Amino acid sequence: SAVISQKPSRDICQRGTSLTIQCQVDSQVTMMFWYRQQPGQSLTLIATANQGSEATYESGFVIDKFPISRPNLTFSTLTVSNMSPEDSSIYLCSVLQDTTDTQYFGPGTRLTVL
Amino acid sequence: AQSVTQLDSQVPVFEEAPVELRCNYSSSVSVYLFWYVQYPNQGLQLLLKYLSGSTLVKGINGFEAEFNKSQTSFHLRKPSVHISDTAEYFCAVSLWGAAGNKLTFGGGTRVLVKP
Repeated sequence: SAVISQKPSRDICQRGTSLTIQCQVDSQVTMMFWYRQQPGQSLTLIATANQGSEATYESGFVIDKFPISRPNLTFSTLTVSNMSPEDSSIYLCSVLQDTTDTQYFGPGTRLTVL
Repeated sequence: AQSVTQLDSQVPVFEEAPVELRCNYSSSVSVYLFWYVQYPNQGLQLLLKYLSGSTLVKGINGFEAEFNKSQTSFHLRKPSVHISDTAEYFCAVSLWGAAGNKLTFGGGTRVLVKP
């Protein structure tokens, strides 16, 4: 399976600011995904990060709030913009291993907004 | 659209006892099925998956799951748990052959192994 890293691993931010989360994978992958896990909850897909094109957002998530970049086949960023305490969550990236149709996850970024 | 139901939000179990975590899904088309585990303060780790073939799937750490198409279930089992199995377990589905392979997760089952 792919080795996935995320930066930062955790952060505490002030209301109204923005945070950019990085996801790096050790091999080229076609599809990368960003998920949110609110406290005590399951995972919800935010968007699919497509290399060379705009990200595809799920219902309830918009580009202005969660802009995503995918400059190459091994890297993606998610920005959480104009944060509020309701954005306090764990944000996880995942990659799809094409040969097995299986997603593998990064370690997550734990965000607390005060 | 597909959905996943994990019937138990919490499962307390004594060390060395067996455990079963229940997962049911609904979908109008064929699906791929997955179980992931999340240890405290960590990301998700793949336990096992069913893509096709034998309906009994063996995964890491002694876990296994059985795909039952008629009952639309994919229950996870372990015959003897360890303290280290204390974690949250997520069942997930993706649509077979669908572009994007998006995962839909169940609500999770928190397993607490007691000595």
